[in-house]
Amino acid sequence: DAKTTQPNSMESNEEEPVHLPCNHSTISGTDYIHWYRQLPSQGPEYVIHGLTSNVNNRMASLAIAEDRKSSTLILHRATLRDAAVYYCILVSGGDSNYQLIWGAGTKLIIKP
Amino acid sequence: GAVVSQHPSWVICKSGTSVKIECRSLDFQATTMFWYRQFPKQSLMLMATSNEGSKATYEQGVEKDKFLINHASLTLSTLTVTSAHPEDSSFYICSARKGGPRAREKLFFGSGTQLSVL
Repeated sequence: DAKTTQPNSMESNEEEPVHLPCNHSTISGTDYIHWYRQLPSQGPEYVIHGLTSNVNNRMASLAIAEDRKSSTLILHRATLRDAAVYYCILVSGGDSNYQLIWGAGTKLIIKP
Repeated sequence: GAVVSQHPSWVICKSGTSVKIECRSLDFQATTMFWYRQFPKQSLMLMATSNEGSKATYEQGVEKDKFLINHASLTLSTLTVTSAHPEDSSFYICSARKGGPRAREKLFFGSGTQLSVL
């Protein structure tokens, strides 16, 4: 079965870039890589997702390795509001076999 | 963006009582909704997948008679924890997607419900 592995926690200084890694060495060709983040006592919030090519949006960038066995979520300039647990998730399937493989999450600590 | 509303945000109840949690998609029709459970410092665990107009599909180990799911309309799914006990205390989260599930589409999550059973 596919699996996603993330570091338990990371620290970064405010206003510096943050690179959050995720390993998914057993990813299949049709699995999408999603990232969500969760603040305390709240539901997860969408950050970014992609399949093969790197992706950019207003929140972050997603760098996907050429072999797709790993990916990195990049926050270009972290703020205190970015402190959260970041989940890397493999999403696959359609109507009948839809599946999400959640990583354990990385707790991002931002130091002022 | 799409909004998923979950209510209540927190609830405290006595052991043996039942609690209902609502999940609404406010600006889109959600044919599929998902219910998760989360213990402190852990990732979300999928409990069941709810499809509008049909019976929910429960994950292995989740008691369907204890966690009743009703998805009666395209904008509302409810989770009822029946005869709740202290071990049912947890953070419950719903999520929804427009139309059927597709791996390329993003999910929208409710804000969660903290259930405390005394």
